[in-house]
Amino acid sequence: AQSVTQLDSHVSVSEGTPVLLRCNYSSSYSPSLFWYVQHPNKGLQLLLKYTSAATLVKGINGFEAEFKKSETSFHLTKPSAHMSDAAEYFCVVSDRGGGADGLTFGKGTHLIIQP
Amino acid sequence: NAGVTQTPKFRVLKTGQSMTLLCAQDMNHEYMYWYRQDPGMGLRLIHYSVGEGTTAKGEVPDGYNVSRLKKQNFLLGLESAAPSQTSVYFCASSYRLAGEGTGELFFGEGSRLTVL
Repeated sequence: AQSVTQLDSHVSVSEGTPVLLRCNYSSSYSPSLFWYVQHPNKGLQLLLKYTSAATLVKGINGFEAEFKKSETSFHLTKPSAHMSDAAEYFCVVSDRGGGADGLTFGKGTHLIIQP
Repeated sequence: NAGVTQTPKFRVLKTGQSMTLLCAQDMNHEYMYWYRQDPGMGLRLIHYSVGEGTTAKGEVPDGYNVSRLKKQNFLLGLESAAPSQTSVYFCASSYRLAGEGTGELFFGEGSRLTVL
C-alpha cells in the first residue's frame, strides 16, 4: 500500500524568499512522484514528476524537487517566491503498475505569498 | 486547444434530485477519470474509464454512475443526490494509465456541486 503525507497544510512566505513544501511518502515499490499545482478555481496542473531518472527534478515556473529514497521524501522548493505562486500544491505518489486507482494524492498545502 | 472541458461549472441541487456532469477532452486520450475534492481530503477517485465503452469503480463510487459512449466524453451521473455529495468534481484524462506512474493527468477546471 502507498501513502503520501504533506507535512504542512499551510505555508506562508514573503515574496522573494525561498519556498519549501514538504512531502513524505511510503511505497512498497519504486514509486513515481508528482507535484501538481491548483490555482484558485482552476484544475490541477502538473508541476514536475520523478520517474526513476535523475533524483533532482526541475519543473515549470522555477520549481524543483529532490527525491530522497533514504528519507522517503520529495520536497518541493523554489529559490524566490512570486505572488503568482500562491496556490494549492498536491504531492502525488504512484506505485507503478497500480492501475487507475494507483495514484494517491496528498491532502494539499496552501501556499500564501505575503507582499 | 481546449484540453478538458467540464459542464456545468456550478450547480445547486435539492436532496433526491438527479443530474449529470459532462466531461469532454480533445486530446484523443484513452483514459478518463472522475475525482471529487473535499476540504482537507485531497482528491479521491470516483470512477474511471480505460477506453470507449468501458468503466470501472474507483475509491468512492457509491451514489454515482458513469458512461463512456464516445471516446472524447465521460459522463458522471448522480441518481439521487445527497448532501454528502456536495463537493468539487474534477474530470481528468491521460495518455497512459494513471497508476503506471509515467502518465500525466490533464484536469478540467472543476464542477462545484451543492446539494441542499
